[in-house]
Amino acid sequence: DIQMTQSPSSLSASVGDRVTFTCRASQSINIYLNWYQQKPGKAPQLLISAASRLQSGVPSRFSGSGSGTDFTLTISSLQPEDFVSYYCQQTYSTPNTFGQGTKLEIK
Amino acid sequence: EVQLVQSGAEVKKPGESLRISCKTSGYSFTNYWINWVRQMPGKGLEWMGTIDPSDSYTNYSPSFRGHVTISTDKSISTAYLQWSSLKASDTAVYYCARAHTSSDAFDFWGQGTMVTVSS
Repeated sequence: DIQMTQSPSSLSASVGDRVTFTCRASQSINIYLNWYQQKPGKAPQLLISAASRLQSGVPSRFSGSGSGTDFTLTISSLQPEDFVSYYCQQTYSTPNTFGQGTKLEIK
Repeated sequence: EVQLVQSGAEVKKPGESLRISCKTSGYSFTNYWINWVRQMPGKGLEWMGTIDPSDSYTNYSPSFRGHVTISTDKSISTAYLQWSSLKASDTAVYYCARAHTSSDAFDFWGQGTMVTVSS
C-alpha cells in the first residue's frame, strides 16, 4: 500500500496568514493527489484534484502543487471558515489512501 | 443537481447484520464509481472499497475485504454497504462518494451514516 504522510498534523495560524501543508507519498504517484477539506460533523469536500486542479466553486486562495512524491496545499490568506481539517489522498493505485490529516487552528 | 443521500443512523448489537444505502440522483448512475469511506470517532478517513455500477466490478481495501460487501441496484441508482456480522470496532461514520473513474478524485459525497455497534 502507498503510505501518505501529512505534515504538520496541526497548525496554529491567524486570519490573513499564508499557510502551506505538505503531503508526502511513500512512492511516486505522478499527480494522482487530491486535497479535501472537512468541517466538523460534515462530509469531506474536494478542493483540489490531480495535484493542482482547483474545483469549481473553491476560492482561489487555495492552490496545490507537486508531483511524484511531494505535494503542497497553500492557502494564501486565511479566512475564518478555513480553520478546519484537511486531508490528502492518492488515487494512483488501490487501496486509495488518505493522509492522517492536518487540523488548522486559530492562533 | 448531483446528490448522494445516505440512510439514517443505525444502532446495532455485535453480531447483527446491517445494510446502509446511498441513493444518488442528478447524474447517470452507471457513469461514476461509488466509493465507501470510513471515519472512526475522532479519526481520519479510510478508503474501504469501490464499485463500478456499470458492471458491478468491486475492489476492496485489504483491511476491509471479507468483512463488508459493496453492491448496487441500478434500477434505483443506489449503492449499498453491508455487514453480515458487526463488531464494536465498526462504530464509525460511513461516507459514500462518487468518482468518474477508479483513478479520479471523489467529487461528490453523501452526508454520512453513523453506525454505532454496542452491546
